[in-house]
Amino acid sequence: TQLLEQSPQFLSIQEGENLTVYCNSSSVFSSLQWYRQEPGEGPVLLVTVVTGGEVKKLKRLTFQFGDARKDSSLHITAAQPGDTGLYLCAGPRFNKFYFGSGTKLNVKP
Amino acid sequence: NAGVTQTPKFRILKIGQSMTLQCTQDMNHNYMYWYRQDPGMGLKLIYYSVGAGITDKGEVPNGYNVSRSTTEDFPLRLELAAPSQTSVYFCASSYSSLNEKLFFGSGTQLSVL
Repeated sequence: TQLLEQSPQFLSIQEGENLTVYCNSSSVFSSLQWYRQEPGEGPVLLVTVVTGGEVKKLKRLTFQFGDARKDSSLHITAAQPGDTGLYLCAGPRFNKFYFGSGTKLNVKP
Repeated sequence: NAGVTQTPKFRILKIGQSMTLQCTQDMNHNYMYWYRQDPGMGLKLIYYSVGAGITDKGEVPNGYNVSRSTTEDFPLRLELAAPSQTSVYFCASSYSSLNEKLFFGSGTQLSVL
């Protein structure tokens, strides 16, 4: 069983559409992070959310940390082909960083 | 700025062979991690270290060993390679395990045939 469950697993949309990716756990996390990974490369950090209920914006990307600190979401407005990639949520527990199963996003022009 | 350096980038092993994946970081980070990533999937933690001389198991440690004799280096050893170990391996480091960013190497693609 995965400590962090992501949904959907795959997402294929047209340029200009909006989308939301979810990251859920039954465990409480002190923080959650979102990474983006492109083929052949390691993941790169997008954002860290720390406070329950926190909302952070990064241009067209909006990240939210659940009030109970067990879940997070990533919303992309007006997706562009450059947003294509694998999106991973991750969080620390007891000195370990756990990753979600990933959401593979494909944005078609 | 080197960051996290992994070698080799690609390797093909025969069943039963052994090899060491090298990982070095020059950021004086205390925490280092080894992950494996199967195609289109998330990352699974193999082993981690909170400092020189201290290592511990992650989610999928079977078939692997690690050592951390210095702050900079965290090699991953495969003793008897099996086809199930075919994967992409990533090394990462961070200053601490709290809200710190993970820095990743570029990965090692390993095939066991």
